[in-house]
Amino acid sequence: IAGITQAPTSQILAAGRRMTLRCTQDMRHNAMYWYRQDLGLGLRLIHYSNTAGTTGKGEVPDGYSVSRANTDDFPLTLASAVPSQTSVYFCASSSGQNYGYTFGSGTRLTVV
Amino acid sequence: EDQVTQSPEALRLQEGESSSLNCSYTVSGLRGLFWYRQDPGKGPEFLFTLYSAGEEKEKERLKATLTKKESFLHITAPKPEDSATYLCAVPAGNKLTFGGGTRVLVKP
Repeated sequence: IAGITQAPTSQILAAGRRMTLRCTQDMRHNAMYWYRQDLGLGLRLIHYSNTAGTTGKGEVPDGYSVSRANTDDFPLTLASAVPSQTSVYFCASSSGQNYGYTFGSGTRLTVV
Repeated sequence: EDQVTQSPEALRLQEGESSSLNCSYTVSGLRGLFWYRQDPGKGPEFLFTLYSAGEEKEKERLKATLTKKESFLHITAPKPEDSATYLCAVPAGNKLTFGGGTRVLVKP
């Protein structure tokens, strides 16, 4: 089934540890995105990539980094996790800026 | 600054009780308005895109409409399986800007 695969589904992480959230899509979409969703704050964009080899910062990029080595993969790395990064993280992709996004099922991350 | 506001925040309906959700937006040069459905523990699922004022889209019991300032999602004769959070979003720069969502609970 075409779509986005995120891993892990959930994770409890000690503060200060490094963590990479994985995201893979099989739709050959050019654009990919990472959002975090928090109660009362909604979905906020962390980083995006319009095409392989390029990335950009969203609304809340601090403490996160991304890479886009190929079309299918868009990993999100937390270099040194802090409790405020506790959230649900969604990866999404789109065939163009004005087209609907396809979202993954999310990664629930708890930093303790 | 581009903004998307949804109301109400929550809606409790009896099965069969029709209602409407509102999404108001301020964005320079609207390039579409998107509606999504999100179930607990899952990612948002795309429902509709509307591009111009007066446009309407329908899917089962849902109908989305668009004016120059807002969009409505009408739920006609809802069923318990329509319970979800409904999100609207507009393209702004290199991203979609989302509203806070409306949590809909349909009781049998």
